[in-house]
Amino acid sequence: GAGVSQSPSNKVTEKGKDVELRCDPISGHTALYWYRQSLGQGLEFLIYFQGNSAPDKSGLPSDRFSAERTGGSVSTLTIQRTQQEDSAVYLCASSPTGGAEAFFGQGTRLTVV
Amino acid sequence: GQSLEQPSEVTAVEGAIVQINCTYQTSGFYGLSWYQQHDGGAPTFLSYNALDGLEETGRFSSFLSRSDSYGYLLLQELQMKDSASYFCAVSSVGGATNKLIFGTGTLLAVQP
Repeated sequence: GAGVSQSPSNKVTEKGKDVELRCDPISGHTALYWYRQSLGQGLEFLIYFQGNSAPDKSGLPSDRFSAERTGGSVSTLTIQRTQQEDSAVYLCASSPTGGAEAFFGQGTRLTVV
Repeated sequence: GQSLEQPSEVTAVEGAIVQINCTYQTSGFYGLSWYQQHDGGAPTFLSYNALDGLEETGRFSSFLSRSDSYGYLLLQELQMKDSASYFCAVSSVGGATNKLIFGTGTLLAVQP
């Protein structure tokens, strides 16, 4: 596809369950970002991948959150033992080299009940 | 760490000009970007400044002063479709990372 693809678009899960969110970046983009956006709020940085470098995990809110990027392409954000405060839209973005211009997916709306 | 400040809300009328300011604090500053996000949509890139001065792209212009750690987005000839949230974002370089950190956003309401 031409843009960043995220799946699922919506996810409802029970408190305590694990969830996996997927991001397919634009082909050839070396940088990939994950952000979290609560209703009416800004974009909270979670994690950043750049090429083969070690990811910048400085934004992950707790050890329940983890992410990986396989083969420099697809990325998966995993949230273990979900809590109600994890409910938010999770946005993925990719960039040709990192920095200025990032292209966002439509996000995954996660609801923890 | 990084921090950015922008007004939470701005209201303007169709056809007018509006300026959205952004002040930032960061180490390893590389550049300032602006993004637009309509309600329920994904953020989309508007502009980027790495050097001091004004960048113009159609009705939108963006300004940066590195010495003042300040920038703004200028929207001219406002249209109803410009009603959206606008985010400034800093690119900062530290070690091997060049991450993009966003401000809290400014909700622009354009009135007839």
